[in-house]
Amino acid sequence: EDKVVQSPLSLVVHEGDTVTLNCSYEVTNFRSLLWYKQEKKAPTFLFMLTSSGIEKKSGRLSSILDKKELFSILNITATQTGDSAVYLCASNYGGSQGNLIFGKGTKLSVKP
Amino acid sequence: DAGITQSPRHKVTETGTPVTLRCHQTENHRYMYWYRQDPGHGLRLIHYSYGVKDTDKGEVSDGYSVSRSKTEDFLLTLESATSSQTSVYFCAIRQGAYNEQFFGPGTRLTVL
Repeated sequence: EDKVVQSPLSLVVHEGDTVTLNCSYEVTNFRSLLWYKQEKKAPTFLFMLTSSGIEKKSGRLSSILDKKELFSILNITATQTGDSAVYLCASNYGGSQGNLIFGKGTKLSVKP
Repeated sequence: DAGITQSPRHKVTETGTPVTLRCHQTENHRYMYWYRQDPGHGLRLIHYSYGVKDTDKGEVSDGYSVSRSKTEDFLLTLESATSSQTSVYFCAIRQGAYNEQFFGPGTRLTVL
């Protein structure tokens, strides 16, 4: 059965901390791994990774994929209260239809 | 902004009534998706479309039907709504070589 598992499910940190969110996957015909940020609205796209060992960066956020060990991490440095959100990981799998399977998300709370 | 709108944005209905949710996109994307999001379950695929009149089932399709008579509109119908279908419904489109998906603003449906 295809699955995506995120850990931890929730996390509370203080402003300025660095956090690492984890995503492991087991899917048939893996194609890509995607990260989304969801505040109290629709998920917004952060990163898409297809190759092992190549880091994607956007400001204080970065992500890397390990296709051998079947996981990805999302790092956020110097966290701010605006980083508080649910972070979703999804794997693109299977045939040409491009369907995604999502993890249940990590709820990050950043305290001032 | 992927040019996606959903209507209605909020709806309260009674058990047994039919409900149709609309997803509209303006950028001629071929692939469109309907998800539901529930606490503890994350995002789950209901149905998807890969072209006009071409649709297929997702993970949680029971109790739902879809139609796509033109590229820009993807309709989700609950023939006889049940309380278990109370949820937030997101539409998404796919773009990019690796199937990045981008989400509409969501519809919050409450079935009493």
